[in-house]
Amino acid sequence: ETGVTQSPTHLIKTRGQQVTLRCSSQSGHNTVSWYQQALGQGPQFIFQYYREEENGRGNFPPRFSGLQFPNYSSELNVNALELDDSALYLCASSRRVGDPTPGELFFGEGSRLTVL
Amino acid sequence: AQSVTQPDIHITVSEGASLELRCNYSYGATPYLFWYVQSPGQGLQLLLKYFSGDTLVQGIKGFEAEFKRSQSSFNLRKPSVHWSDAAEYFCAVARTGGGNKLTFGTGTQLKVEL
Repeated sequence: ETGVTQSPTHLIKTRGQQVTLRCSSQSGHNTVSWYQQALGQGPQFIFQYYREEENGRGNFPPRFSGLQFPNYSSELNVNALELDDSALYLCASSRRVGDPTPGELFFGEGSRLTVL
Repeated sequence: AQSVTQPDIHITVSEGASLELRCNYSYGATPYLFWYVQSPGQGLQLLLKYFSGDTLVQGIKGFEAEFKRSQSSFNLRKPSVHWSDAAEYFCAVARTGGGNKLTFGTGTQLKVEL
């Protein structure tokens, strides 16, 4: 059984650029959530995708967007990067059956983004 | 909106000693509560969760946590700490119908002295 994998593991961008982060969910999982973890902080919920649609969003501006593909993999896109976007971006997958009860989240190791 | 407070930023314990990590939450109804552990360079791993029922929940790696509604707390405990338990521990809360939107605390860094 393959776990959650994320790419790239590290990347450096400059202010104003755009970035795409990728996530392959664990086999059998149909829901993907994205979290931002700034240095010294706990993860903050960005959004989640279920059945290829955004299904819940945290307090992040529209320049944070995402996709979920038919194979349940996902992308996180961030436009017009700001210095404060520097963080570890975590993807988590889970298997949702029926109602939106929180599932057990399986996290990837994250993509560390540095914005200069 | 729900919130989580982990009052202890750092805790140091000796190997073999008992451990208790504190977590207080704020949420109007019965919450879903979680403890996750994050080792350096790794993603978060679920230790245990509370949804309903027995207020003392058992998790992996010998951890347990107790839900106390009157104190809005969900403290994590382990009777005897191993050096491999050194990591960062996060408490998290989710609300009914909120799906996988978890609100995390700021974490407690655990150091284990040999």
